[in-house]
Amino acid sequence: GAVVSQHPSRVICKSGTSVKIECRSLDFQATTMFWYRQFPKQSLMLMATSNEGSKATYEQGVEKDKFLINHASLTLSTLTVTSAHPEDSSFYICSARVGGLANGETQYFGPGTRLLVL
Amino acid sequence: QQQVKQSPQSLIVQKGGISIINCAYENTAFDYFPWYQQFPGKGPALLIAIRPDVSEKKEGRFTISFNKSAKQFSLHIMDSQPGDSATYFCAASGYNTDKLIFGTGTRLQVFP
Repeated sequence: GAVVSQHPSRVICKSGTSVKIECRSLDFQATTMFWYRQFPKQSLMLMATSNEGSKATYEQGVEKDKFLINHASLTLSTLTVTSAHPEDSSFYICSARVGGLANGETQYFGPGTRLLVL
Repeated sequence: QQQVKQSPQSLIVQKGGISIINCAYENTAFDYFPWYQQFPGKGPALLIAIRPDVSEKKEGRFTISFNKSAKQFSLHIMDSQPGDSATYFCAASGYNTDKLIFGTGTRLQVFP
C-alpha cells in the first residue's frame, strides 16, 4: 500500500516553455502532498506543501509564480514550472502524507521526475 | 537549529563489512528520525525509523542507534552487500509537523 506515482518520469523542454508534473497517490487519499527538488549529488530540498483544496505553502526562496502547485483532489497534485530556464533543470520529487496526525512518519515518496531545460 | 548534519559524505565498504553513517541534530523538538535509501534516478524509500523513546531499533541487517543526550543517531548496515550501494539520507521531524528535514546524504559503495 501507500504508492505514489509521478508523471512524466523525465521531460526535456525548451527554455521559456512551461512543464507540468503530476503526482498521484494510487491507493490512498492524501490531504497533504509535498514537492521537493534535488540537484545532482545533493539532498532533497522542500519547495512547498500542498493541501487539498487550498493554496500551497511555499518555502522561503521558492518563487510561487514560477512553481505553480495545484492540489485539486485528494489523489492528485500538480507542479507546473512556468517559463522554464536551464537553471530549473533538476530532479523533482513529490511525497504524499497518509491521513491522520501530521507526522513525518506518514510521508511516502514518488519516483521523481527528471526535468532538463535546453 | 533546523539542520541535520550527516557524515561521512561518502563511504566505501567491502562486502560483508559494516557500514556506519552518522547524523546529528540541534532541535530538541524533533521526535521522529527516519533513514531513507535512494538509488540513482529514483525517489527515496523509507528504510527504518526511530523515535526518542528507544535507543536502538533493528530491522534485518539495518540498525538505528539513538543517543538522545548527544542528539545523535546513526545507521549501521551489517553484512553490507553490493546491492546496498546507494545514497542514504537521515531526516528528522518534529511533533505535529509534516516537514522532514533531510541530512546532506552519504553515498555508500560496497565492493565485492
